[in-house]
Amino acid sequence: GIQVEQSPPDLILQEGANSTLRCNFSDSVNNLQWFHQNPWGQLINLFYIPSGTKQNGRLSATTVATERYSLLYISSSQTTDSGVYFCAVESMGGGADGLTFGKGTHLIIQP
Amino acid sequence: EAQVTQNPRYLITVTGKKLTVTCSQNMNHEYMSWYRQDPGLGLRQIYYSMNVEVTDKGDVPEGYKVSRKEKRNFPLILESPSPNQTSLYFCASSLYPTTAHTDTQYFGPGTRLTVL
Repeated sequence: GIQVEQSPPDLILQEGANSTLRCNFSDSVNNLQWFHQNPWGQLINLFYIPSGTKQNGRLSATTVATERYSLLYISSSQTTDSGVYFCAVESMGGGADGLTFGKGTHLIIQP
Repeated sequence: EAQVTQNPRYLITVTGKKLTVTCSQNMNHEYMSWYRQDPGLGLRQIYYSMNVEVTDKGDVPEGYKVSRKEKRNFPLILESPSPNQTSLYFCASSLYPTTAHTDTQYFGPGTRLTVL
């Protein structure tokens, strides 16, 4: 099946810093989503972005489908941005298998 | 409000005692699925359902059952839970077009299960 790799696995930053999270995938996709899992375990859908660029406030994401990667940018980090960020993809030929998740990037924003 | 709900949110049980985790969505979605999340392994799909009475195994189906008698509900059943099923479980749903996977999946709040 499709492989999803996220980097870095852990990231510690000071409040106000910017960060870039990366997601590489091994096959063509027709669905890519970024999620934020907060410290209470809740999964929050950030972006649906199988290709192109989207922005939502301090967050933006870019997926370059031809090169099989996606980037999540967080600007002016706040402590509430802490948590785990997951990239999840659905392979173009994957039938109804649903999303395959990366192992996540654990982000800690220190005050 | 469009949402996916799960119950219970937290459950501690003992080995072998049958349990059911309910999942319900109010978006008339056709596609529903269950995932489990474990440290170091990320989220893995347990079962999915493309529509009423249509279910299939995901990556880690052993020890689980599901049913889809109504479009809105997709319960996860553990007939004889074991400690290795201690995990965080998520239910998800999406509108499942027949021609392309073009929709986002919406996740429930999660169920934290501990099997002693």
